Amino acid sequence: AQKVTQAQTEISVVEKEDVTLDCVYETRDTTYYLFWYKQPPSGELVFLIRRNSFDEQNEISGRYSWNFQKSTSSFNFTITASQVVDSAVYFCALKSSGNTGKLIFGQGTTLQVKP
Amino acid sequence: DTAVSQTPKYLVTQMGNDKSIKCEQNLGHDTMYWYKQDSKKFLKIMFSYNNKELIINETVPNRFSPKSPDKAHLNLHINSLELGDSAVYFCASSQDRVGAGLGDEQFFGPGTRLTVL
Repeated sequence: AQKVTQAQTEISVVEKEDVTLDCVYETRDTTYYLFWYKQPPSGELVFLIRRNSFDEQNEISGRYSWNFQKSTSSFNFTITASQVVDSAVYFCALKSSGNTGKLIFGQGTTLQVKP
Repeated sequence: DTAVSQTPKYLVTQMGNDKSIKCEQNLGHDTMYWYKQDSKKFLKIMFSYNNKELIINETVPNRFSPKSPDKAHLNLHINSLELGDSAVYFCASSQDRVGAGLGDEQFFGPGTRLTVL
C-alpha cells in the first residue's frame, strides 16, 4: 500500500524562526516521485518541488530546503527565516511510476507564522 | 494567461440537482485529473484522463461522470447531488504520457467550491 504521513497537523512559529515540516512515505515501488505543494489561504495549490527516488541530493531554493532520505522514507521541508507569507497548508505527495500517475497526498500541515 | 482554469469558482445548489464543473488547460499537457478536497483539507484523486482516455477511476459514486471532449478539457458532471458532495473540487494537468514515465508535476486549477444545501 502507498501512504504519505504528515504527523504535524498544525505548527505555529514566530516570524524569522526556522521550521521543518515532516513527511514520511510508504511504497513498495523502486521508482517513485515525491512532491511538496503549498495551499495559501486563497485556496490554490502551488507546486514547490519534485524529487525522484533515484536522486537523494538535498535541494535548496532561497529560504526553502528539502531533505530526502530513502533510509528513513522521509522527505522533510525546511523554511528558514519564516515570514508571514509562508502561512499556508503544506502537502507532501507521492506518485509511483506504475500506478498511472495519481498523486497520493498526506493530510497536510497547517503552518502559521506570526509577526 | 491562466494555465489551468475551472468554472465556476463557487457553486451553491440544492440536493438532488445535477451540476457540471468545467476545466481547461492551455499547457499542452496530455493528462488531466479531478481531485476532491474535503472539509478537513484531505485531497483525494477521483479521475484521470490521458489524451481523452480514462486511466484512473477511483471508488467514486457513478453519479460522478467525467467527460473529456479533447485533451485540453476535462469536465465533471454530478447527478443527484447529495450533502456529502460538498467540497472543493480541483482540476489538474501534467505532461505525463502513459508508458513514458509518469513523474511529472501536476499543475492545479483554482478549485471549485461546491456547496449542496
